Amino acid sequence: AQSVAQPEDQVNVAEGNPLTVKCTYSVSGNPYLFWYVQYPNRGLQFLLKYITGDNLVKGSYGFEAEFNKSQTSFHLKKPSALVSDSALYFCAVRASRVGSARQLTFGSGTQLTVLP
Amino acid sequence: SAVISQKPSRDICQRGTSLTIQCQVDSQVTMMFWYRQQPGQSLTLIATANQGSEATYESGFVIDKFPISRPNLTFSTLTVSNMSPEDSSIYLCSVKDSGGRDEQFFGPGTRLTVL
Repeated sequence: AQSVAQPEDQVNVAEGNPLTVKCTYSVSGNPYLFWYVQYPNRGLQFLLKYITGDNLVKGSYGFEAEFNKSQTSFHLKKPSALVSDSALYFCAVRASRVGSARQLTFGSGTQLTVLP
Repeated sequence: SAVISQKPSRDICQRGTSLTIQCQVDSQVTMMFWYRQQPGQSLTLIATANQGSEATYESGFVIDKFPISRPNLTFSTLTVSNMSPEDSSIYLCSVKDSGGRDEQFFGPGTRLTVL
C-alpha cells in the first residue's frame, strides 16, 4: 500500500527566511508526487508535481520541491517565505505503475506559519 | 486546469437526515473522485465516481451511506445518508486531468456540520 508521511504538524518560519516542509513516501515502483496548498475555507490548490525528469521541480508562487529517490523524500522549499504563504500544505503520492491504485494518497498535512 | 464548483458550499443538518452535494466541472473528465476531510485531518478518498456504472468505494465506505451518481462526464453527486455528528467534515470533489498531464484538481469543498 502507498503512504505519505509529513513528520511536522507545524512549521514556523520568519518572513524572508527559507522554508522547508518535509515529506517522505512509500509506493511500489516509481512515484508520482504532488504538493497541494489549502488556505482557510478554501479547497486544495495544486502547487507542483514530480512525474519524471529533473529531480528539482518548480511550481506556483515560487515554491520548488526536490525528489530524492534514495531517501524517498519530496521536500517542499521556498528561498524566501512570505506571510501570505501561511497555509496548510499536503504532500501526495500516486503509483505510476500500470494496474496499480491510481488514486492519490495524502499526507497528514503541515501547517506553515510565516511570522512577520 | 479544470474549474470545479460544488453546491452547497456549506450546510448545517440535523441528525438522521440526508444531504446531496453536487459537483460540476467545466470540461469533460474521465475520472472524478469524492474525498472527505474530517476536522484537523488529511483527505481520505471515499470513492471513484464512474460514468454510467456504480461508483468504486474505498475500504470503510459503503454505497448505502454514500450513494454517488455520475450521469455524464461533467457532473456528479454525493449523498451523505442518515447523518450523524461524526459525518461533520469537508467533502471535496476532485477530477483527474484528461489531457495527459497527470494532475488532479479539487473543488472548493462542502463544509457539512451535523447537529
